[in-house]
Amino acid sequence: KNEVEQSPQNLTAQEGEFITINCSYSVGISALHWLQQHPGGGIVSLFMLSSGKKKHGRLIATINIQEKHSSLHITASHPRDSAVYICAVPNFGNEKLTFGTGTRLTIIP
Amino acid sequence: DGGITQSPKYLFRKEGQNVTLSCEQNLNHDAMYWYRQDPGQGLRLIYYSQIVNDFQKGDIAEGYSVSREKKESFPLTVTSAQKNPTAFYLCASSNLGSFYGYTFGSGTRLTVV
Repeated sequence: KNEVEQSPQNLTAQEGEFITINCSYSVGISALHWLQQHPGGGIVSLFMLSSGKKKHGRLIATINIQEKHSSLHITASHPRDSAVYICAVPNFGNEKLTFGTGTRLTIIP
Repeated sequence: DGGITQSPKYLFRKEGQNVTLSCEQNLNHDAMYWYRQDPGQGLRLIYYSQIVNDFQKGDIAEGYSVSREKKESFPLTVTSAQKNPTAFYLCASSNLGSFYGYTFGSGTRLTVV
């Protein structure tokens, strides 16, 4: 089973700061999910990536398959970005996911 | 719009009672999943189903039961045998054989008093 570690666990930043959240996993994978969980609890898929980099608005996700590491960046952070960000990786041979414990991000105006 | 509907959003039950959480999807996904989330822990898999009338235990199935009588529906019953049922429960679905299109519901927060 893949083990997933995220860092930091909690992150508080001022509005406008550049944010980086890291995710490392133990077993090679074909793709990785970044998810966002808002205070109400619902989870939204932000990215699924298998190599390189993906960008959506102010969010950028990168992955290094060889190093088993992915990062999620937020540029020009805003209070509405405050949420828990979770990375998830598949278990080999099936669609089941293993989830990190999440990074709680708080952006202060 | 296609998606997953979980109901209710909040649920309170007395200790010793069984309770059923609803999960419905209109994405035509073959696979459906139930996860449990506790503070400070990653989501953990309770049960999953890849086809109608078939389901498999996940990592923490004890005290839970499921059914998959229709492709669209995957209800979860939290039984009185579950020792610590208070948690946030998330349902998800995906296409078989594909990591793409993994979709989550909005969750049900169950509190047992």
